Amino acid sequence: DIQMTQSPSSLSASVGDRVTITCRASQGISNSLAWFQQKPGKAPKSLIFGSSTLQSGVPSKFSGSGSGTDFTLTISSLQPEDFATYYCQQYDSYPFTFGPGTKVDI
Amino acid sequence: QVQLQESGPGLVKPSETLSLTCSGSGGFISNSHWTWIRQPPGKGLEWIGYINYSGNTNYNPSLKGRVTISEDTSKNQISLKLSSVTAADTAVYYCGRGGGPIPHLWGQGALVTVSS
Repeated sequence: DIQMTQSPSSLSASVGDRVTITCRASQGISNSLAWFQQKPGKAPKSLIFGSSTLQSGVPSKFSGSGSGTDFTLTISSLQPEDFATYYCQQYDSYPFTFGPGTKVDI
Repeated sequence: QVQLQESGPGLVKPSETLSLTCSGSGGFISNSHWTWIRQPPGKGLEWIGYINYSGNTNYNPSLKGRVTISEDTSKNQISLKLSSVTAADTAVYYCGRGGGPIPHLWGQGALVTVSS
């Protein structure tokens, strides 16, 4: 299985901050990388697929980049509704695997 | 807008089979790919499996052959069955729908507790 790691595991930020989360795959996955946002007690929300393509309706303050083994999710200007846990997931090979998550809080 | 809803028993006894369905509206099943994931209380996300629009499936080997995902076009539902459950299968189960392997729409989730 492809192992996914994320850093940091948690971070504290303020409204208006630019935030970057890193995801690393244990082997190359091309650009088969997705990002999800999850708020407490809620279902995950799909943000990005194909490493950098925003899902429909996702605001442009979110952006993704990377290819191969190293990927980043950037939130350009953090807003109160962005405080959540963010997960990356590879879908290059089965079984698809998630990273452990990065919790973004105040 | 289409919304998804997971449904099924919230309590399952050890060694029995967990059964959930995923329902929605508006030409629900056709031309879509379906994913099931789960989240144990206080933990991260785990991918369970996937059925594509052709009916082909892929499952997480960590579930040791206990999982089946299928579609019932007559009922316009996707189903998940997980056999021989243990307490480790206690989790919130989510279904997701997409045009490919990454869902763009998720259900609200169903908590299933395995306990006698």
